[in-house]
Amino acid sequence: SAVISQKPSRDICQRGTSLTIQCQVDSQVTMMFWYRQQPGQSLTLIATANQGSEATYESGFVIDKFPISRPNLTFSTLTVSNMSPEDSSIYLCSVEARGPSYEQYFGPGTRLTVT
Amino acid sequence: RKEVEQDPGPFNVPEGATVAFNCTYSNSASQSFFWYRQDCRKEPKLLMSVYSSGNEDGRFTAQLNRASQYISLLIRDSKLSDSATYLCVVRGLTTDSWGKLQFGAGTQVVVTP
Repeated sequence: SAVISQKPSRDICQRGTSLTIQCQVDSQVTMMFWYRQQPGQSLTLIATANQGSEATYESGFVIDKFPISRPNLTFSTLTVSNMSPEDSSIYLCSVEARGPSYEQYFGPGTRLTVT
Repeated sequence: RKEVEQDPGPFNVPEGATVAFNCTYSNSASQSFFWYRQDCRKEPKLLMSVYSSGNEDGRFTAQLNRASQYISLLIRDSKLSDSATYLCVVRGLTTDSWGKLQFGAGTQVVVTP
């Protein structure tokens, strides 16, 4: 499985500001994803980060609020813009492995608290 | 109706005992199935993929029942370190859902001494 790192691991931010989360993979991967996990909830897919093109967003998530970059096959960023306390969550990136079932592996997550 | 449903638990299991729990999914076209394990404040980690014929990995056995649209996980000889939340994950097949995983809310297992 790929080794995935995320920065920062946690942050406390003021409302109205923005935070950019970085995801780095130790090998080239085609598919990268960004998820959110709110307290006590399961994971919700925010978007698929596509290399060389715009990200594909899920219903309820928009580019203006969660801009995503994917400059190459090993790196992606997610920005949480104009934050409010409702954005307090864990944000995780994941990559899809080239196994028989195309399993996904997750980064360690970024724990965001918005005050 | 949620696409993937799980009993949230907690399942309180004495050390050494066996525990089993299910997960149901609503999309009959789903093709790939997984069990992930998530420890408190950590990321989900792949426990095992679930194959049509069922599969076993050490003390863990997963089964798939396509007719009734559920998968199961059985843990034998439970260890204290098995305490975690187990996430049932299903992958779509259609063009617009390929690559997307649907997550259950998780089943909490607590193994007690």
